[in-house]
Amino acid sequence: GNSVTQMEGPVTLSEEAFLTINCTYTATGYPSLFWYVQYPGEGLQLLLKATKADDKGSNKGFEATYRKETTSFHLEKGSVQVSDSAVYFCALMGSGGSNYKLTFGKGTLLTVNP
Amino acid sequence: DAGVTQSPTHLIKTRGQQVTLRCSPKSGHDTVSWYQQALGQGPQFIFQYYEEEERQRGNFPDRFSGHQFPNYSSELNVNALLLGDSALYLCASSFDRLVLNEQFFGPGTRLTVL
Repeated sequence: GNSVTQMEGPVTLSEEAFLTINCTYTATGYPSLFWYVQYPGEGLQLLLKATKADDKGSNKGFEATYRKETTSFHLEKGSVQVSDSAVYFCALMGSGGSNYKLTFGKGTLLTVNP
Repeated sequence: DAGVTQSPTHLIKTRGQQVTLRCSPKSGHDTVSWYQQALGQGPQFIFQYYEEEERQRGNFPDRFSGHQFPNYSSELNVNALLLGDSALYLCASSFDRLVLNEQFFGPGTRLTVL
């Protein structure tokens, strides 16, 4: 079945540091890939997405590129802020007519210190 | 435009009891999915409802059941509660006719089983 493996946390950075959170996946066909963010005490918010190979999703300074050859979708940001402190989840939705569910990784806790 | 809403926010039950959680989808959405998020884990797909029918189900026992109403709102019922059912329960809504039916999440219901 489908699965997502993401970098174990927690990750602690200083403000303005570069961020990478690794994500790799296992799936048949051509899944769609997502990054969700969960702020303390809240539900999940979609951060960015990519639906086909070589697509780059971007939002709020975050980027991730769908790499089919390495089955990866790593999240990057050039300069993190304290307000980026949250849990980040990589997820996929399988291709095909009967795949409606999101499969998530375990999440990576990011703490950004001033 | 109201987003996905869930009730109640928090709930405490004892083993063996039954619980009902409620979800109202985002305006214009017709599909509701339910996820269970254990502490420190990523969300796990329970099931999805479309046109008042369960369309896809994850690896959860029959103690977990649901319903979708004509106004697209949904309920999640859990019978014979176990300690391991303690989790954050997330509802997500989407619009079926989009090519990528992106799921929007509510804030969740925190269930504690004692």
